[in-house]
Amino acid sequence: QVQLVESGGGVVQPGESLRLSCKTSGFNFNDYNMHWVRQAPGKGLEWVASMRTDGYNVYYANSVKGRFTISTDTSKNTLYLQMNSLRGEDTAVFYCAKAADGSGFSQYCLDSWGQGTLVTVSS
Amino acid sequence: EIVMTQSPATLSVSPGERVTLSCGASQTLDSHLAWYQQKPGQAPRLLIYDASTRATGVPARFSGSGSGTEFTLIISSLQSEDFAVYYCQQYNKWPPITFGQGTRLEIK
Repeated sequence: QVQLVESGGGVVQPGESLRLSCKTSGFNFNDYNMHWVRQAPGKGLEWVASMRTDGYNVYYANSVKGRFTISTDTSKNTLYLQMNSLRGEDTAVFYCAKAADGSGFSQYCLDSWGQGTLVTVSS
Repeated sequence: EIVMTQSPATLSVSPGERVTLSCGASQTLDSHLAWYQQKPGQAPRLLIYDASTRATGVPARFSGSGSGTEFTLIISSLQSEDFAVYYCQQYNKWPPITFGQGTRLEIK
């Protein structure tokens, strides 16, 4: 079965960096877009970034553009999110999610999610 | 950016009741809309995609309808495990994909 396991969260100070990882299994990683979605404490869901695992179609939310970088290592079936210049408003649970389909509009519908990793930005 | 609006924000219901949740979009989505369920401390779970198709393993009491800019999620007979927050999400136009603010179902 599909499994997505995030790691790398923690407590950092404003301006610092953190790299999140999402180890995947149970599906052909090369066939699907992958996404990061975050959820601030007590708030709703906010899409952060997505990419095709071959490195194309990389997109970011305006709120993180220029500070966050999404990437993959297809040899390890792993998705990453490099987060630089972190701010208090980046405090959230970060989820990685798999696209529902390998092509078409459903590349942006999310059918499997990890359990999330908490990032806290605080001085 | 397509703005998604859900109503109501909170709904107090009793087990066994029929529940209707609404989701509106600021632009047409055709049928590129999904519904997710999120329970406390858990990741979201895909319930419905393409506006009306149940995801694998989703009980038949969940149904979705609508197209264009107005969509509905119906739970035909609410079970205790259905008390959760429900989000709609559009994937007709990106970036960004966008979510509604959520509807919380609570026990009356």
